[in-house]
Amino acid sequence: GQNIDQPTEMTATEGAIVQINCTYQTSGFNGLFWYQQHAGEAPTFLSYNVLDGLEEKGRFSSFLSRSKGYSYLLLKELQMKDSASYLCAVRDQNAGNMLTFGGGTRLMVKP
Amino acid sequence: DSGVTQTPKHLITATGQRVTLRCSPRSGDLSVYWYQQSLDQGLQFLIQYYNGEERAKGNILERFSAQQFPDLHSELNLSSLELGDSALYFCASSVSEINTDTQYFGPGTRLTVL
Repeated sequence: GQNIDQPTEMTATEGAIVQINCTYQTSGFNGLFWYQQHAGEAPTFLSYNVLDGLEEKGRFSSFLSRSKGYSYLLLKELQMKDSASYLCAVRDQNAGNMLTFGGGTRLMVKP
Repeated sequence: DSGVTQTPKHLITATGQRVTLRCSPRSGDLSVYWYQQSLDQGLQFLIQYYNGEERAKGNILERFSAQQFPDLHSELNLSSLELGDSALYFCASSVSEINTDTQYFGPGTRLTVL
């Protein structure tokens, strides 16, 4: 099986930078996704990492270290609208390449 | 807007009843996935269809079933409903069956079982 851990909640200030960590254990790692989900709405795709390193997309960046089973999502210049849950999801080729989601990190951005 | 549509948006029903949730994938996507999201369980994969055929099963109860039709829309059938089935049900779609594609999620159906 898979084990995905993320902090349950984080709080940050508007304009600041926040890093949301995700650790995972999987036998056949085949990619890691980050999704953003506002309460009661659909998860929306943010980023995908399959190789080690940093992927940057505007204010959002995602980093992966496969040897450490670790990823983080970095959000810069935080805006109030960034208040949402951030879901880390891992694809395991030994599990039919299905996505397994972590419990999500609820980020609250304060003025 | 992801391009994935789901109906209905909300559904309220009683225990023991049966409901059908509908999903239309993004144009060009052949794979459809169903997920359940409840407050205490997070997002759980239920089942995947590709071009009309079942491809993978996750934590789907025997009371639940799904199918994908020739026009690629999919339906998730939930029967003998229990209070614990109250949740958000999401459909997602991707281009192919090989599961290395990004999945795009629909707006979800909120099911309340009373």
